Amino acid sequence: ETGVTQTPRHLVMGMTNKKSLKCEQHLGHNAMYWYKQSAKKPLELMFVYSLEERVENNSVPSRFSPECPNSSHLFLHLHTLQPEDSALYLCASSQETPGQEQFFGPGTRLTVL
Amino acid sequence: GENVEQHPSTLSVQEGDSAVIKCTYSDSASNYFPWYKQELGKGPQLIIDIRSNVGEKKDQRIAVTLNKTAKHFSLHITETQPEDSAVYFCAASTYSGTYKYIFGTGTRLKVLA
Repeated sequence: ETGVTQTPRHLVMGMTNKKSLKCEQHLGHNAMYWYKQSAKKPLELMFVYSLEERVENNSVPSRFSPECPNSSHLFLHLHTLQPEDSALYLCASSQETPGQEQFFGPGTRLTVL
Repeated sequence: GENVEQHPSTLSVQEGDSAVIKCTYSDSASNYFPWYKQELGKGPQLIIDIRSNVGEKKDQRIAVTLNKTAKHFSLHITETQPEDSAVYFCAASTYSGTYKYIFGTGTRLKVLA
């Protein structure tokens, strides 16, 4: 185990649903990340939080809404998604200093019908 | 934008043989290069990394080399075993307000028993 947990592990939702993904890290890190992993594409960085402040939003559609209530927890709120949003959503954390490794959670496999 | 190219996309080797995966990055400011292994149903796990002030690093059967001038880095796995079968990702870390990874597209390694 990497010290980063994600729930749920699998999620199926309709296009009109609202759901949330949860990530928790037990490593004392101060930066957290959301990535999208689609088949045959590089991991796409979606959001970065450093010290609970959003420092990066990589042109992600507004139907994805992140929330970082504290340095250990990160959420991704989902609403009115599209079928092309189906993917593995990975959370990662790191200590925000030069060249620090990122530790990944197991991911949430999301299917949008 | 900045990118990381990774080759090959798939690689099959006989058990006991060596495997080599190569990556090329575009941002000359990149200074940290991790390699991740992702097994089915799991998140990426760091297996080895190298920093820009080092040319080579080895950890048992795994080694990484870095050529900063050519902006190339490679993963070498010797004496491959069936449990080495997985998808391997390279990444280059660059600072632009926060420390950000650019990932390669992944290499699916199959070790044939």
